[in-house]
Amino acid sequence: AQSVTQPDIHITVSEGASLELRCNYSYGATPYLFWYVQSPGQGLQLLLKYFSGDTLVQGIKGFEAEFKRSQSSFNLRKPSVHWSDAAEYFCAVGARTTSGTYKYIFGTGTRLKVLA
Amino acid sequence: DSGVTQTPKHLITATGQRVTLRCSPRSGDLSVYWYQQSLDQGLQFLIQYYNGEERAKGNILERFSAQQFPDLHSELNLSSLELGDSALYFCASSVLAGVINEQFFGPGTRLTVL
Repeated sequence: AQSVTQPDIHITVSEGASLELRCNYSYGATPYLFWYVQSPGQGLQLLLKYFSGDTLVQGIKGFEAEFKRSQSSFNLRKPSVHWSDAAEYFCAVGARTTSGTYKYIFGTGTRLKVLA
Repeated sequence: DSGVTQTPKHLITATGQRVTLRCSPRSGDLSVYWYQQSLDQGLQFLIQYYNGEERAKGNILERFSAQQFPDLHSELNLSSLELGDSALYFCASSVLAGVINEQFFGPGTRLTVL
């Protein structure tokens, strides 16, 4: 079955510290992977995506993610966290539907708290 | 601002009632998706429309229905509402449907069923 697992429900880091948010997926075909961020009261904003090619992808706001096929992972990283990064982060896989279109399967999210 | 608009922003109603949520996709996007975000189920894909036609269904209840109009805006109709339908409902849009591409999300409609 297709699924996305984000094992960490909550993560707290100090401002300036590095960050890694974990994401594991289960998908039979080539995965199309996304990271979205949701600030309080806001919609989802795309941070980065992986379709093919270089397994290290750069995104907005200084985020990057590395696709590791052998580990079925797509972890999100940032070298130095800012207070404004406090939000909820969702990993998603683009899954092909029976009609040939694509839908997103989301993980349960990781809520990031940043300490001043 | 993603360019996707949703109305209303908040909706409070009673059990058994029917409501309609509206979504206008980004200019040029033909595909519209509806998602439900609740505390116990997380973000769940409900349904997708492309250029007026239903293209994919997810975990959408039979009490829920949607349509996409010729001007490409979409409406999600929720009927016989139950307490458990209280959630944030997101609309997203993308350019195409048959290939993977980025979906742009609206700000959501928060539905509270009392």
